[in-house]
Amino acid sequence: DIQMTQSPSIVSASVGDRVTLTCRASQSMSNWLAWHQQKPGKAPKLLIYRASTLQSGVPSRFSGSGSGTEFTLTITSVQADDFATYYCQQYDSYPYTFGQGTKLEIK
Amino acid sequence: QVQLVESGGGVVQPGRSLRLSCAASGFTFNYYPMHWVRQAPGKGLEWVAVASYDGVNKNYADSVKGRFIVSRDNSKETVYLQMDSLRPEDTAVYFCARDGSFDIWGQGTMVTVSS
Repeated sequence: DIQMTQSPSIVSASVGDRVTLTCRASQSMSNWLAWHQQKPGKAPKLLIYRASTLQSGVPSRFSGSGSGTEFTLTITSVQADDFATYYCQQYDSYPYTFGQGTKLEIK
Repeated sequence: QVQLVESGGGVVQPGRSLRLSCAASGFTFNYYPMHWVRQAPGKGLEWVAVASYDGVNKNYADSVKGRFIVSRDNSKETVYLQMDSLRPEDTAVYFCARDGSFDIWGQGTMVTVSS
C-alpha cells in the first residue's frame, strides 16, 4: 500500500500570505495525485488532479506540483474562503489512500 | 447538473446490516468507476470500495473486505454499498465519489453503529 504523509498538520496564515502544503508518498508513484479541500460539515471538493491540473472552476491561486514521492499544493495569496482542511490522495494503485490532512487556520 | 445523492444511513446495532445507495444524475453514469469513501467523526478520509464502470471489477479496503459489498445498477444510475457485520468502528459519514480523482462527491450519509 502507498502511505501518504502530509506536512504540516496545521498551518497558520493571514489573508494574502503564500502557503505551501506538502504530501509525501511512501514509494515512488506516477502523477495520479489529487488535492481536495474540505470545510467543516461539508463534502470534500477536488482542487487539483494529475498532480498539477487545476479542476474547472477552481481559482488560479491554487497550484500543484511534484513527482515521484513529493508533491506540493501552493496557495499564492490566501483568501478568507480558503481556511479549511486539505487532503492529498493517491489514485495510482489500490487501495487508494489519503494523507491525514493539513488544516489551514487563520493567524 | 452533475450530482450524487447518498441515502440509507442511520443508527444500527453492532453485527447488523445496512445498505447505502448513491443516485447519480447529470452525467453518463456507466462511463465512470464509482467509489465509496468514509470519514469517522473528527477523523480523516478513508477510501472504502470501488465498482468499475460496468460493475464487474471491485476492490475493497482491508478494513471492510469480507463484510461490505459494492454493486451498481447502471439502468438506475445508482451505486450501492451493502454493509454486513457492522462494527462500532464503521461509524462514519459515507460519501460516494466519481472516478479515480473523486472529481464529484455526494453530500454524505451518516452511519452510526451503536448498541
